[in-house]
Amino acid sequence: QKEVEQNSGPLSVPEGAIASLNCTYSDRVSQSFFWYRQYSGKSPELIMSIYSNGDKEDGRFTAQLNKASQYVSLLIRDSQPSDSATYLCAVKSGSARQLTFGSGTQLTVLP
Amino acid sequence: GAVVSQHPSWVICKSGTSVKIECRSLDFQATTMFWYRQFPKQSLMLMATSNEGSKATYEQGVEKDKFLINHASLTLSTLTVTSAHPEDSSFYICSASTGLYNEQFFGPGTRLTVL
Repeated sequence: QKEVEQNSGPLSVPEGAIASLNCTYSDRVSQSFFWYRQYSGKSPELIMSIYSNGDKEDGRFTAQLNKASQYVSLLIRDSQPSDSATYLCAVKSGSARQLTFGSGTQLTVLP
Repeated sequence: GAVVSQHPSWVICKSGTSVKIECRSLDFQATTMFWYRQFPKQSLMLMATSNEGSKATYEQGVEKDKFLINHASLTLSTLTVTSAHPEDSSFYICSASTGLYNEQFFGPGTRLTVL
């Protein structure tokens, strides 16, 4: 059974700090990896996608992928209180159309 | 781009009635849409995969006769909760996939309350 594991948190960081969110997955043939942000009471919003090993940067967000270790992470630089949300890691394997989601990490950025 | 809408955003109904939720991809065509349910403080649960022009694929434990899915066009999928009961009260969210890597984009969700 494909699994995606995340620390549920809550993770608290001070404003301006770097928030580091981690995710591991069990299916070695996983090919596509996504980070979604979900504010309380709202639907998930895609913020990053990564498909090859290494780092991918988009503004204050950096996704890191290590397929050998089956590990994907999201770094948020200069964290803002508006970044406070639940961050969902999602993995797509092979030809499957569905995503497998982790349970999410709740992040709180303290002003 | 990649905007998905849902209607209604919230609905309150009496037990035993049926409720239809629409999911539309506004600026792209989606051969595949997905329906999720999320209870408070819990993770997303995939209910079914909706395929344009064919029957939906339901996840284990999801009653296909209770949650009717129709994907009549490349931009519209509907979920009908039949004979709704209070335990069906939840946040229902659809998503549509597009692009080379089949990224999923979510609609804003529909909050269903069954009295």
